[in-house]
Amino acid sequence: SAVISQKPSRDICQRGTSLTIQCQVDSQVTMMFWYRQQPGQSLTLIATANQGSEATYESGFVIDKFPISRPNLTFSTLTVSNMSPEDSSIYLCSVETDYSGNTIYFGEGSWLTVV
Amino acid sequence: DAKTTQPTSMDCAEGRAANLPCNHSTISGNEYVYWYRQIHSQGPQYIIHGLKNNETNEMASLIITEDRKSSTLILPHATLRDTAVYYCIVRVAPTIHAGNMLTFGGGTRLMVKP
Repeated sequence: SAVISQKPSRDICQRGTSLTIQCQVDSQVTMMFWYRQQPGQSLTLIATANQGSEATYESGFVIDKFPISRPNLTFSTLTVSNMSPEDSSIYLCSVETDYSGNTIYFGEGSWLTVV
Repeated sequence: DAKTTQPTSMDCAEGRAANLPCNHSTISGNEYVYWYRQIHSQGPQYIIHGLKNNETNEMASLIITEDRKSSTLILPHATLRDTAVYYCIVRVAPTIHAGNMLTFGGGTRLMVKP
């Protein structure tokens, strides 16, 4: 399996500010995904991030609010911009491995609370 | 990807087998069945996946019916640490650089009791 590290693991943010979440993988992967999990809810895909191309956003998510970078095959960032209390969620990075049957693995998540 | 239907919650006695059902009656021939679990305040953990044959690994067994319209995840000897939300997900056959994401439903909240 892939080892995925996310930073920060937890943060409390002020309304109107932006926060960048980092995702580091211990092996090169082509596909990375960012999910959001609001309190008490299931996971919702925000976007798919390929190295070297623009991220593909799901319905309801836009680049201005959730800009994503994917500078290389082991790293990605998700920024949550101009935060409001409704953005309080767990943000999860996941990767599709190019081995072991292209299984998808998840990081431990970044818990954001917006006050 | 096909939708799945799971019971909202289940209880299981510690040490007994936990059998978690999943219906995926609209599954296509090229779609796999994946199981993940999410222990409170952690990221989802991959458990197992299969196409049509039964699968077993160190965590669990996956039994898929012959018509592939349903499956059962079996935890042979449930422990308190198996208390989690279990997600059954159907996903198009993974190929290199396929980028087929996982679509999560509500899952089954399994409570293992002493």
